[in-house]
Amino acid sequence: EPEVTQTPSHQVTQMGQEVILRCVPISNHLYFYWYRQILGQKVEFLVSFYNNEISEKSEIFDDQFSVERPDGSNFTLKIRSTKLEDSAMYFCASSLGRVALYGYTFGSGTRLTVV
Amino acid sequence: AQSVSQHNHHVILSEAASLELGCNYSYGGTVNLFWYVQYPGQHLQLLLKYFSGDPLVKGIKGFEAEFIKSKFSFNLRKPSVQWSDTAEYFCAVTREYGNKLVFGAGTILRVKS
Repeated sequence: EPEVTQTPSHQVTQMGQEVILRCVPISNHLYFYWYRQILGQKVEFLVSFYNNEISEKSEIFDDQFSVERPDGSNFTLKIRSTKLEDSAMYFCASSLGRVALYGYTFGSGTRLTVV
Repeated sequence: AQSVSQHNHHVILSEAASLELGCNYSYGGTVNLFWYVQYPGQHLQLLLKYFSGDPLVKGIKGFEAEFIKSKFSFNLRKPSVQWSDTAEYFCAVTREYGNKLVFGAGTILRVKS
């Protein structure tokens, strides 16, 4: 079964540093997403990406965050200057079409720890 | 804005017991509803989804859920749980044809063998 692959599985970074979280979505999928889950809290939507542009973003997704699909296979989330409160599990997901029809396929997540 | 409430944060059952996990959502328009499961150390996996039609939806591994529009509910059921069902279960909603999932807080199910 096709998978969404995320690397690294765990990243520790110092406050103020930039981090890039990487995802390889399923190859024929067209919609890409980032979600995060702070320990003990709900899974929260960050951003959706379609046709090489952001289609929707949450208020969490401020100027510190950016996404890119640099080469047609990778989908990255960059946090420019990390804060302690960015510590969370970050999930990438992809879907073939509208989630209502197809659902998402999620990756295993990257646990980001900001110290 | 949409929101999702899951009634129980932790549920402990013995094997062969029946399971019902509650999920209520708040949104005035047409919605699509989902249940995801996350086994320990694994990624979120789709158990089942409601798009339209029969409000009783059957999913993988013997799970089913019933959409009751008048109650804004989408409860997950399984007649007889197994130890391997130990996991965290998430209810989620999106508006009709939407792409953004709104998740509930999750219910951790532990099945004792």
